[in-house]
Amino acid sequence: EAQVTQNPRYLITVTGKKLTVTCSQNMNHEYMSWYRQDPGLGLRQIYYSMNVEVTDKGDVPEGYKVSRKEKRNFPLILESPSPNQTSLYFCASTPTGGPHSPLHFGNGTRLTVT
Amino acid sequence: GENVEQHPSTLSVQEGDSAVIKCTYSDSASNYFPWYKQELGKRPQLIIDIRSNVGEKKDQRIAVTLNKTAKHFSLHITETQPEDSAVYFCAASLNSGGYQKVTFGTGTKLQVIP
Repeated sequence: EAQVTQNPRYLITVTGKKLTVTCSQNMNHEYMSWYRQDPGLGLRQIYYSMNVEVTDKGDVPEGYKVSRKEKRNFPLILESPSPNQTSLYFCASTPTGGPHSPLHFGNGTRLTVT
Repeated sequence: GENVEQHPSTLSVQEGDSAVIKCTYSDSASNYFPWYKQELGKRPQLIIDIRSNVGEKKDQRIAVTLNKTAKHFSLHITETQPEDSAVYFCAASLNSGGYQKVTFGTGTKLQVIP
């Protein structure tokens, strides 16, 4: 089944403890992206990747890192999480990121930082 | 950058009635307008989309209209059913550095009352 898989689904951590949220897609998509969803703010892009080893900042990149060493994987790294990063995170992909390409979302990761 | 405003933030309708969600965008270069439905606890999923060279598109009970001059687009759901209850996000997409940058609205929580 074609899908975008995120892990974990739920994560509770403490301020400053490094964490990684994994994202993997099996559709051979070139473009992958991370979003955070907050009440009243919709979905905001954190980072995106056009292809292997090609990443760039989205609208809210502060406090996050990403890597794209393989086409299928696009992990989100929080080196020193803070409470304002408590949010619902979604990974998404499209075949090329080109025109008129709808996003395929993962199931989401709900992160709580205390 | 692009700015997408979405109204209303919440909407309650009786089963069988119609629901309309409206969005405006700021950048006339936006050329693709997808709508995503997010059921409680689940991922956003594309329900309908429209390109800038089309004024209206229908898919069974769902329709989207686009007014490029006024820079607004709307989602229309007719004969609403309880399973239409969800959060709906509009989005505007424009070409930015070789890929489509997607900007989301803040979401509309639709409740269909049986």
